[in-house]
Amino acid sequence: DAKTTQPPSMDCAEGRAANLPCNHSTISGNEYVYWYRQIHSQGPQYIIHGLKNNETNEMASLIITEDRKSSTLILPHATLRDTAVYYCIVRVASNDYKLSFGAGTTVTVRA
Amino acid sequence: NAGVTQTPKFQVLKTGQSMTLQCAQDMNHEYMSWYRQDPGMGLRLIHYSVGAGITDQGEVPNGYNVSRSTTEDFPLRLLSAAPSQTSVYFCATTLAGGSSYNEQFFGPGTRLTVL
Repeated sequence: DAKTTQPPSMDCAEGRAANLPCNHSTISGNEYVYWYRQIHSQGPQYIIHGLKNNETNEMASLIITEDRKSSTLILPHATLRDTAVYYCIVRVASNDYKLSFGAGTTVTVRA
Repeated sequence: NAGVTQTPKFQVLKTGQSMTLQCAQDMNHEYMSWYRQDPGMGLRLIHYSVGAGITDQGEVPNGYNVSRSTTEDFPLRLLSAAPSQTSVYFCATTLAGGSSYNEQFFGPGTRLTVL
């Protein structure tokens, strides 16, 4: 699985968009980008995933660059409840369901 | 529909004691797994199972045993607890198979301290 690089932390104002970057310069053609988040003391929660097209769901949007070497998770209107550690994971979508978590980005949403 | 449940929520053990962490799911998911999370770290895979009767090792399996006799349950056994096993343990499940990715659902965790 390709390695990912995320900033260790970032702040965001409540009500504003939060843009979380992830670098995955060694990503292979059959590897997807997944995002999970972990709110303090809870189990991780799936947010979104994509291959090469931009994706949007009720939680967030995922923008993947054309060369697929980086991506950005966008929380459109951050709330205090979005304060969490966000993990960017790159892996092949196959029958192998193992997830490899790095240190992630600690996002603090401030009032 | 309770989702993924883990018991106990908290546990304190003495070095050398054994215990079983329980994980149960009512979503009929084939795939179940155990992760541990040390302070300030990401999750690391201990063991996983792709169905009843099938288990395999993850990244950090030493000191842990698993079995999968039913689809619903996937217990994690600590054979002889050591202080290095102090951690938060998460169970995760997903509906395996198919051509599209299935999100993984995590339990609330068990916080284990080994003295």
